[in-house]
Amino acid sequence: DIQMTQSPSSLSASVGDRVTITCRASQIISSSLNWYQQKPGRAPKLLIYAASNLQSGVPSRFSGSGSGTDFTLTISSLQPEDFATYYCQQSYSSPWTFGHGTKVEIK
Amino acid sequence: EVQLVESGGGLVQPGGSLRLSCAASGFTFSSYWMSWVRQAPGKGLEWVANIKQDGSEKYYVDSVKGRFTISRDNAKNSLYLQMNSLRAEDTAVYFCAREAYDNSGTSWYWYFDLWGRGTLVTVSS
Repeated sequence: DIQMTQSPSSLSASVGDRVTITCRASQIISSSLNWYQQKPGRAPKLLIYAASNLQSGVPSRFSGSGSGTDFTLTISSLQPEDFATYYCQQSYSSPWTFGHGTKVEIK
Repeated sequence: EVQLVESGGGLVQPGGSLRLSCAASGFTFSSYWMSWVRQAPGKGLEWVANIKQDGSEKYYVDSVKGRFTISRDNAKNSLYLQMNSLRAEDTAVYFCAREAYDNSGTSWYWYFDLWGRGTLVTVSS
């Protein structure tokens, strides 16, 4: 199975900050990498698919980059509604696997 | 409205069984692969199983193989997860999720673009 390692596991940031979350796959996964946002008690929400494609309706302050094994989710200017947990997920080979999540908290 | 609504969760004893359902509406259910994804309390997301549009292919995470069965009824726009021989470690919120894909390039890229709110399964004596 492909292991997904996210870092950091948590971070504290202020509104307006630029935030970067990284995800590393245990083997090459091309651009088969997705990012989700989850708020407490809610279902995950797709932000980015295929490493860098912004899902319809998602604000443009979210962006994704990377290919191969190393990927990044960037929030260019953190907004109050962005405080949540973020997960990466690979869809290169089954079983689909997720990273352990990065919790973004208010500083 | 495009949505997925899960049901069937509850409290069950170890070794027991439970059947989850997911009702789809607002889109052509029969055109999509569908998945179950679970989340143990305070933990991360774990993909459990998925099923092809016509039910001819099914895949499972190793930890549930031989105990869980995914199925679908396209006439009823419904997805199911039959869970047998339940263990304490199966305690989780179970989400159904729609699998979409992008093949605008040379490869196929799969992702979960629609999720239900989830149903809680608690395995405890």
